[in-house]
Amino acid sequence: EPEVTQTPSHQVTQMGQEVILRCVPISNHLYFYWYRQILGQKVEFLVSFYNNEISEKSEIFDDQFSVERPDGSNFTLKIRSTKLEDSAMYFCASSGWIYEQYFGPGTRLTVT
Amino acid sequence: DQQVKQNSPSLSVQEGRISILNCDYTNSMFDYFLWYKKYPAEGPTFLISISSIKDKNEDGRFTVFLNKSAKHLSLHIVPSQPGDSAVYFCAASRDGGTSYGKLTFGQGTILTVHP
Repeated sequence: EPEVTQTPSHQVTQMGQEVILRCVPISNHLYFYWYRQILGQKVEFLVSFYNNEISEKSEIFDDQFSVERPDGSNFTLKIRSTKLEDSAMYFCASSGWIYEQYFGPGTRLTVT
Repeated sequence: DQQVKQNSPSLSVQEGRISILNCDYTNSMFDYFLWYKKYPAEGPTFLISISSIKDKNEDGRFTVFLNKSAKHLSLHIVPSQPGDSAVYFCAASRDGGTSYGKLTFGQGTILTVHP
């Protein structure tokens, strides 16, 4: 069964460093998403991406964040200058049509 | 953001019995609802969904009921199995014309099914 994959599973970085989280969505899907879950809190929407551009983003997704689909199979989330409060599980998701999204296993980002 | 609420942090059920997980929402613009199951150290797994034009959707042991007037939905699992023990998230989405599938999640309910 096709699945969304994410790498790395755990990333430790120092405050102020740039990180890139990588995702490989399900191959025939058209819509791509990033969510995050801070420990003990809800899963929160960050950004949606369709037709090679951002279609919607949350207030969390400020200028420090960017997304890219560099080669037609990968989907990346970049955080330019990490802060302590960026520590969270980051989930990539994809869908073939808008509503039913399939999630990857997540990347645990720890900012020290 | 309290637009989707799951008021029961946990639920404990005996194997073979029915599990009922509840979810309330406040945004009347939501028109599609989903349930996800999540095990520790894994991503949410899609279980079942329902459009606002329906009041019930069934898939095997899982049934979702939607009461639009009450802004309430529930997930029924019958019969419950120990492997169903996980965190269950309710999520909602708005009309695709104005929202590209952004999901708003509830806080989750921890279901424990005892053998």
